[in-house]
Order: sequence, then structure tokens, then C-alpha cells
Amino acid sequence: EAQVTQNPRYLITVTGKKLTVTCSQNMNHEYMSWYRQDPGLGLRQIYYSMNVEVTDKGDVPEGYKVSRKEKRNFPLILESPSPNQTSLYFCASSKLAGVVDEQFFGPGTRLTVL
Amino acid sequence: DAKTTQPTSMDCAEGRAANLPCNHSTISGNEYVYWYRQIHSQGPQYIIHGLKNNETNEMASLIITEDRKSSTLILPHATLRDTAVYYCIGKYSSASKIIFGSGTRLSIRP
Repeated sequence: EAQVTQNPRYLITVTGKKLTVTCSQNMNHEYMSWYRQDPGLGLRQIYYSMNVEVTDKGDVPEGYKVSRKEKRNFPLILESPSPNQTSLYFCASSKLAGVVDEQFFGPGTRLTVL
Repeated sequence: DAKTTQPTSMDCAEGRAANLPCNHSTISGNEYVYWYRQIHSQGPQYIIHGLKNNETNEMASLIITEDRKSSTLILPHATLRDTAVYYCIGKYSSASKIIFGSGTRLSIRP
């Protein structure tokens, strides 16, 4: 089944403890992206990647890192999480970055930073 | 990318057509109009997109005005499962960033 998977789905952690949220797609998509969703603010893009080894900042990149070493995976890294990073996170992918295309979204990761 | 404006909320009776408007007065000539929806904190789901012509697929129809300053998403026979937040976004074909606004919360009445 074609899908975007994220792990973990739920995570409660403490300030400053490094964490990684994994994202994987099995559709051989070039483009992948991370979003966060907060009440009243809609979905905001954190980072995106147009292909392997190509990443760029979205609208809210502060406090996050990403890497794209292989096509299928696009992990989101929080080196020193803070409470303001408590949010619902979505990973998404699409076939090609440069054409009109739909994005497929993962199920979401609900992160709480205490 | 064009800024889009949508009503905060709407409701519709089950079985009737749900018409969701979107204003995108700053849209440029090669920017597409996309619609996504999100059902209760699940990942957003693609619905439809269009450039100039009206479009229809198995989920919905998209009507774009001739001046392209606004569009309407039509769910022809709304069901309770269509209760969701609907997002209208403008996107260049070659752009990488996508900006989601606050969307329209659609409630379907039984």
C-alpha cells in the first residue's frame, strides 16, 4: 500500500532531550516536507527536500534539523526541544517537486515537550 | 504564492451539495488552486486542483471564476464523513513551499 509513515505517533519528552521523528514513504517520491500544526495557526512548513541531499527551510525552521540521505526517508530532528515545539507534526511527500502534483500526508506525530 | 481567504466555518445538510468558497485575488497566471481537507487531526488529504478550467473528479468539483480571483469547491452530495476542515491554497507549479491558511470548518447536519 502506498503510504507515508511516521514514528512515533505520540511522544512526551522533556526540555533539552534530543529526539528524532522518522518519516518514510514507499512511493519513490522526490519531494518530502515537514509541517507543524498548532491551534489557530493552520499548517506551517518547517523544512522541505526536493531530492536526496537537497533540503531547504520552510516558514518555521528554527529549532529543527532535517536530513535526506536516501530518497525514502526524511527524519525531523529536534536537538534541544523546548515547550514551544509542542505540536502536531505531519510529514508529506509528492512525486516531483517541479510539477503540479498532490502531496500525500502521513498520519501525524503528536509531540509534547514538558 | 497567492494569499487565500476562506470563511471560518460553514454547515450543510446531509445529502445536499456543499459549496465552499475561496478568494485568491492575488493569484498569478501560472498559479494553481489546490484544495485539501483534514478530518479531525488526521493528515490532510488532497481533493482536487485546477488552473483555469473547471475540474471534476470522484470526490468533488472545482469551479474557478474567469478572472481567477475566486473559486468554489463543490461536494455534490455531502455525507457526515465530509465533516472536516477544508483548505484552499495557491501554488506555483514549480514552487516547493506550500502555505496552508486556517481553512473552512465544514459541518454536515444529519
